[in-house]
Amino acid sequence: DQQVKQNSPSLSVQEGRISILNCDYTNSMFDYFLWYKKYPAEGPTFLISISSIKDKNEDGRFTVFLNKSAKHLSLHIVPSQPGDSAVYFCAATPLTGKLIFGQGTTLQVKP
Amino acid sequence: GAVVSQHPSRVICKSGTSVKIECRSLDFQATTMFWYRQFPKQSLMLMATSNEGSKATYEQGVEKDKFLINHASLTLSTLTVTSAHPEDSSFYICSASRGQGREQYFGPGTRLTVT
Repeated sequence: DQQVKQNSPSLSVQEGRISILNCDYTNSMFDYFLWYKKYPAEGPTFLISISSIKDKNEDGRFTVFLNKSAKHLSLHIVPSQPGDSAVYFCAATPLTGKLIFGQGTTLQVKP
Repeated sequence: GAVVSQHPSRVICKSGTSVKIECRSLDFQATTMFWYRQFPKQSLMLMATSNEGSKATYEQGVEKDKFLINHASLTLSTLTVTSAHPEDSSFYICSASRGQGREQYFGPGTRLTVT
């Protein structure tokens, strides 16, 4: 039972363009959502989060959008840079605090 | 701020032995620490949640007698893999949260190989 899904295993984008990573969830009890960036053999690095009372949160080049009715969130990176190449995980959590991760999307930003 | 360290970064042990992995929050007090496991090309799977001074809460399917978790202080949690077998070989990652924050800050992970 995959409660958090990232249906695109990989994404390739040209440097300077926008990267859009998508995530869907099924559990309506989730009220907080996070995006993490991960390099191989390293722990995830927290990028940005959003509460269910908001529909958008922006931090520099990163913006997360939340569509509660569709149970969908997305991470926009603009402009994309080669250093953004990594695996991106979305995660969701109910009030209990347990993070439920998606399967990850590998982003490649080409120079 | 919010730096989490893990030690060791990689360890190789023989089947039947035990291995201890340490997780430390370096610049904050961690109200809760979490232990995850990641298989190749898969997502992170939560193994257990621990609060300082209390017993860990294990996820379904995780053997508590095999994966011993001790959360001795607000900055240190340990995971001991007892009687390790080759199928325990994996990437183990800890995380910590602070105060009432919902974000978890992750350590760099430990690669365990059981031969």
